Amino acid sequence: DQQVKQNSPSLSVQEGRISILNCDYTNSMFDYFLWYKKYPAEGPTFLISISSIKDKNEDGRFTVFLNKSAKHLSLHIVPSQPGDSAVYFCAASAASGGSYIPTFGRGTSLIVHP
Amino acid sequence: DAGVTQSPTHLIKTRGQQVTLRCSPKSGHDTVSWYQQALGQGPQFIFQYYEEEERQRGNFPDRFSGHQFPNYSSELNVNALLLGDSALYLCASSLAGRAQETQYFGPGTRLLVL
Repeated sequence: DQQVKQNSPSLSVQEGRISILNCDYTNSMFDYFLWYKKYPAEGPTFLISISSIKDKNEDGRFTVFLNKSAKHLSLHIVPSQPGDSAVYFCAASAASGGSYIPTFGRGTSLIVHP
Repeated sequence: DAGVTQSPTHLIKTRGQQVTLRCSPKSGHDTVSWYQQALGQGPQFIFQYYEEEERQRGNFPDRFSGHQFPNYSSELNVNALLLGDSALYLCASSLAGRAQETQYFGPGTRLLVL
């Protein structure tokens, strides 16, 4: 059973517009959420995170929103740029044995058209 | 500041063989985690090493084993390779003792089992 779900395998957006990537989770113990970006032939790169005590975290063009009651988070990219084209992974974690081990979704492939 | 490095980048093995993958963590990090990413999937947690001991383990068989050295570098060993072990193997490093730690990934080793 997937505890972290990214139901859209792909998303296509025009340059300059907003990209919204969605993620749902089922485990109510998750209290730390992350987004990673992955280019081909590279490892995932940390993008932005949010703790469960917040409902929004912003870093430049990237904003993550968390809706705990709906067990849903989203990543907004404004404005989208062609260089943002990559696979985006949502991950969620909870403290276990003194460590946070993230559980990843399957990823959403974002294509930003010039 | 060197990031996470992994070797080799690519590897081809045959069924039944054994393989060893290597990882050097980001400077200042003391914890190493290993993930398997199959095609079209998100990274799946294999295990985590801290202070040269396996601290946590995911749902992987005993054919998967690891080691951490005093300099924090790590090895992943897979015995009796199966075709299904073909995947991208990712190493991630982090700093223990931090609440809600963020993991930083290497570029991965792509393993093909024939």
